[in-house]
Amino acid sequence: GQNIDQPTEMTATEGAIVQINCTYQTSGFNGLFWYQQHAGEAPTFLSYNVLDGLEEKGRFSSFLSRSKGYSYLLLKELQMKDSASYLCAVRLLMDSSYKLIFGSGTRLLVRP
Amino acid sequence: DAGVIQSPRHEVTEMGQEVTLRCKPISGHDYLFWYRQTMMRGLELLIYFNNNVPIDDSGMPEDRFSAKMPNASFSTLKIQPSEPRDSAVYFCASSSVPLAGGANEQFFGPGTRLTVL
Repeated sequence: GQNIDQPTEMTATEGAIVQINCTYQTSGFNGLFWYQQHAGEAPTFLSYNVLDGLEEKGRFSSFLSRSKGYSYLLLKELQMKDSASYLCAVRLLMDSSYKLIFGSGTRLLVRP
Repeated sequence: DAGVIQSPRHEVTEMGQEVTLRCKPISGHDYLFWYRQTMMRGLELLIYFNNNVPIDDSGMPEDRFSAKMPNASFSTLKIQPSEPRDSAVYFCASSSVPLAGGANEQFFGPGTRLTVL
């Protein structure tokens, strides 16, 4: 079966750096996405990785290692507004059809 | 642009009733996606369209669920008959990039919170 694992909750301090991990056991891997979702709101796109390595976008960076089935989202200079859930999603190519499956999300709490 | 528009924002209905959720994608976006989110199952892709044509509906849970896209600016997700286990937040999203293509950035609507009693 297809499986994506993320920690359920994390806590960090304003101004600090936090790393949110995502591991996946899937067949037909074809790319990985990170979305941010504030409580009661819709998800918003953060990043996309398909090749190994680090993609940097401002305070947020995302890393992928396909051989290890592993990704992380790195948030620097944490702000209170970064308190949200972070969803890891994997795109799969199966039987000539593309699927998108999401992890359960990591709830991040940023404290002053 | 107004973003993806969904209606209603909240729906409370009784078991057995028909429920219709509506979505207007961002103008110019050829790809539309319907999702369901619950605490137990997380965010699940139900179905997606390309140029009004359903491409993959393998995520639709049962025959009670159906989705249509009669034109480029409107889509519906219908549940008939509804059951309490259908209670969830239903999101619609649109994109200018296909799911198969690179960075498929999807823009989500605010969602419809459905409660089936």
